[in-house]
Amino acid sequence: GAGVSQSPRYKVTKRGQDVALRCDPISGHVSLYWYRQALGQGPEFLTYFNYEAQQDKSGLPNDRFSAERPEGSISTLTIQRTEQRDSAMYRCASSPAGGQGDTQYFGPGTRLTVL
Amino acid sequence: GQQLNQSPQSMFIQEGEDVSMNCTSSSIFNTWLWYKQDPGEGPVLLIALYKAGELTSNGRLTAQFGITRKDSFLNISASIPSDVGIYFCAGQLWGSNYKLTFGKGTLLTVNP
Repeated sequence: GAGVSQSPRYKVTKRGQDVALRCDPISGHVSLYWYRQALGQGPEFLTYFNYEAQQDKSGLPNDRFSAERPEGSISTLTIQRTEQRDSAMYRCASSPAGGQGDTQYFGPGTRLTVL
Repeated sequence: GQQLNQSPQSMFIQEGEDVSMNCTSSSIFNTWLWYKQDPGEGPVLLIALYKAGELTSNGRLTAQFGITRKDSFLNISASIPSDVGIYFCAGQLWGSNYKLTFGKGTLLTVNP
């Protein structure tokens, strides 16, 4: 079956522009996660949704970052007024139910480059 | 920031050799996971550990959840060229049942 998909796969933008990154989770998965992965590092947690509710946004770096999942399926991570330090791989993951023992399945990521 | 110390950072081995990598933390984890990431792909779960002292195998892979809950190791036996990739340890901190904390990864290269 289809895995987690993300679009675009690559995004190049100029400093100061807004970007929207999309995540399509595995069909039926209740939980959705956003992570950011810098080069040479492991993914770092940004935010977590259970259905449409954003349960934890403690990993969002600042108020330029926001995420939504209005219908409990597709999610969008938005970065306003991008800065060069925002350049990274942004990964989405989904899991069937959340909680310990619930496997998170990762998408291929969106590589964001801010010039 | 990262709370897991993963080592080694990279390994270059000959096909057929065994490999060992580990993760340590100053915090207690209630779940340890090992993922593999291939180029252009997201991390894929290899092994999950849920109990202190647990030893789990998946084919040529064996992982253990340390008794102190602060460490884990992954062994790969009889390596093959397709084992090449970046291996990440990840854990769920005590008190969290969804947020994963990742190590920095171990880059494994296997020479045929």
